[in-house]
Amino acid sequence: DAGVIQSPRHEVTEMGQEVTLRCKPISGHNSLFWYRQTMMRGLELLIYFNNNVPIDDSGMPEDRFSAKMPNASFSTLKIQPSEPRDSAVYFCASSLALIGQGGGYTFGSGTRLTVV
Amino acid sequence: AQTVTQSQPEMSVQEAETVTLSCTYDTSENNYYLFWYKQPPSRQMILVIRQEAYKQQNATENRFSVNFQKAAKSFSLKISDSQLGDTAMYFCAFTGTASKLTFGTGTRLQVTL
Repeated sequence: DAGVIQSPRHEVTEMGQEVTLRCKPISGHNSLFWYRQTMMRGLELLIYFNNNVPIDDSGMPEDRFSAKMPNASFSTLKIQPSEPRDSAVYFCASSLALIGQGGGYTFGSGTRLTVV
Repeated sequence: AQTVTQSQPEMSVQEAETVTLSCTYDTSENNYYLFWYKQPPSRQMILVIRQEAYKQQNATENRFSVNFQKAAKSFSLKISDSQLGDTAMYFCAFTGTASKLTFGTGTRLQVTL
C-alpha cells in the first residue's frame, strides 16, 4: 500500500496565482480530510468528505478556497487567488471509518506552500 | 465543540529516561477516541497510540503508554527508555461522533544524550 499520496511536495507561487493541491487517498478508505498547519494556528481542519460528499467545510477560510472529490481516489484543494498568508503545510488524510467509530487516520506527507 | 489542550510547548528528556506529555480535552460526548501523533522533522504525521473512551484499560504500544482519566478528561502519553529518534512534535487529538480529528497545539520533545 503506497499510503496517502500528495502532490506537489513543495509549491512556490506568486501572489494572485491559482494553486491546486492534489491528494490520492488509500484505496478503500471512505473519508478524506484536508488540514492546514501553520506555526500560529497549528493544525486546522479545512474540510472533510465521506463517500466523496463534503460533510463539513466550516474550516475553509474564505471563498478563495475550494475543494472537490470527483471520485473515491482523488481530491483537490484549490486556492484562487493565492495570498502570502496562505503559506502553510497542507495535509491530506484518509480513513476507513464509520461515523463515530474512531478509525485510524493516515496522513500524506503534506504540501508546503509558499506564496510570495 | 470539542477542544484539546496541551499545556507544555516544549520538553526535554535524556536518552533512556522516561517522559510524560500532558493532554486535556473537553467534550460532552460519552463515546469518543483519543490519539497521540508524532511529527518528526520530516513533517510526516505518524500515529503513535490510540485509546477508545469506553475501554478502561490504558493503551500500550511498546515504549509508549497512556494514562487515560475519563472523569478528569486527561490523556497523557508516557515514553519510556527515550531514544534520539523520539525527538519530534507530539500532538494529542480527539474524535467523536463527527469523525473529524481535533488537534492540540503540540509539544516539542527533544531527546538529548
